[in-house]
Amino acid sequence: AQKITQTQPGMFVQEKEAVTLDCTYDTSDQSYGLFWYKQPSSGEMIFLIYQGSYDEQNATEGRYSLNFQKARKSANLVISASQLGDSAMYFCAMSQGGSQGNLIFGKGTKLSVKP
Amino acid sequence: DTGVSQNPRHKITKRGQNVTFRCDPISEHNRLYWYRQTLGQGPEFLTYFQNEAQLEKSRLLSDRFSAERPKGSFSTLEIQRTEQGDSAMYLCASSLDLGVNYGYTFGSGTRLTVV
Repeated sequence: AQKITQTQPGMFVQEKEAVTLDCTYDTSDQSYGLFWYKQPSSGEMIFLIYQGSYDEQNATEGRYSLNFQKARKSANLVISASQLGDSAMYFCAMSQGGSQGNLIFGKGTKLSVKP
Repeated sequence: DTGVSQNPRHKITKRGQNVTFRCDPISEHNRLYWYRQTLGQGPEFLTYFQNEAQLEKSRLLSDRFSAERPKGSFSTLEIQRTEQGDSAMYLCASSLDLGVNYGYTFGSGTRLTVV
C-alpha cells in the first residue's frame, strides 16, 4: 500500500534561515508524482511544488526546492530564506501513476518561523 | 474570483441531523475531489468526479455520505444522520484532466462540528 511518512511533527526556524522538511514515501508503482502543500490556519491547501518520478532534476519554485532521492524514496522540501509568513502546516503527498488521481497525504509538519 | 469556493465555511449540527456542503470548482476544471481532514491528520480522499461522473469512492465514504455533481460544475456532499465522528474539515479540490501538471487547487474547506 502507498504511504507517506513525515517524521517531524513540528519544526522551528529563524527568519531568513533555510529549513528542510522531511518526507519519505512507499510505493510499488514506477510512475508517481510527489507534491508539497502549505496549509495556513485559514485551512486552504496551497500548492507549492511538484516532482514526477521520472524527472531527473530536482524541482524548484522560487524559494522552494524539492530534494528528490529516488533510491531512498525521499522527497524533502527545502525552504530558503524563511519568512514569518511561512509559518504553517506543510503536507507531503503522492499521486498514483504519475497522473492526478487521488492524493495520499502525510500527517504534516508544523513549521514555526521565529523573528 | 477564480479559486475553488466552498460553502458554508463552518457548520455546527446536532447528532442525527443531515448536512449538505457545496463546492464550486474553477470553471474550466473537469475533475473535482472531496477530502476529509481530521485534527492532526493530513487530508484523506473521499471521492472524485470527472465532469458529472463519480469515478472513484473511498471506503471512508459510508452509505451515510453521498456526493453529486449534476451538471459537471458545482458539487454537493451530503452527510445523513451525522455522528460525532463526522466532525472534521471537508476539503474540495479541482483540477484539469491533463495528467501530471501543477496539482489540484483546493478550497478553504467546510469545518463541520457535530454536537
